[in-house]
Amino acid sequence: NAGVTQTPKFQVLKTGQSMTLQCAQDMNHNSMYWYRQDPGMGLRLIYYSASEGTTDKGEVPNGYNVSRLNKREFSLRLESAAPSQTSVYFCASSESYGSGTEAFFGQGTRLTVV
Amino acid sequence: GQQVMQIPQYQHVQEGEDFTTYCNSSTTLSNIQWYKQRPGGHPVFLIQLVKSGEVKKQKRLTFQFGEAKKNSSLHITATQTTDVGTYFCAGAPGNQFYFGTGTSLTVIP
Repeated sequence: NAGVTQTPKFQVLKTGQSMTLQCAQDMNHNSMYWYRQDPGMGLRLIYYSASEGTTDKGEVPNGYNVSRLNKREFSLRLESAAPSQTSVYFCASSESYGSGTEAFFGQGTRLTVV
Repeated sequence: GQQVMQIPQYQHVQEGEDFTTYCNSSTTLSNIQWYKQRPGGHPVFLIQLVKSGEVKKQKRLTFQFGEAKKNSSLHITATQTTDVGTYFCAGAPGNQFYFGTGTSLTVIP
């Protein structure tokens, strides 16, 4: 049982390049999330998918797009990377949306934009 | 802006000393969760509090939820080096779930 799997673990991009971060969960969870973590800022929600077929903006959605490909997979796309998007990105999943159920996190993707 | 505030941001303690981190919201929270993130790792769920005034213990860790459900605390008794990491609270003051800024705990042997 792998839980939440993110790929890649590390990535360096040049400004303006695009990339997609992949996330998959094997716990049959309905809800999935993408967070970014920056020093002193905690975890900030970028986008979430409360259930398969739906996606919504979180606190910091600008510069990102997401796709809930199926119940297992939720990807995050940076269309034109900027240095301000240098961060650690975490995917998470939970049985249902929002509070009330434990969130399980992936190992994180450390992204550097130069 | 930050919906759930957490203090302090950093705390250094001698091994064996106690440690407390506080979480505050300007609005009522339906419940609050606590997570621990080891250095270089990912957040891991510790506990959830739901009831007003609720207190829960996990070995040396004591979690409290305020009477007004606007604040919470995590207290660690007699810290050990294995307690090192960042502790986050998370709650839903509205219809979105927000994480606090976290408290980074360093334990000096």
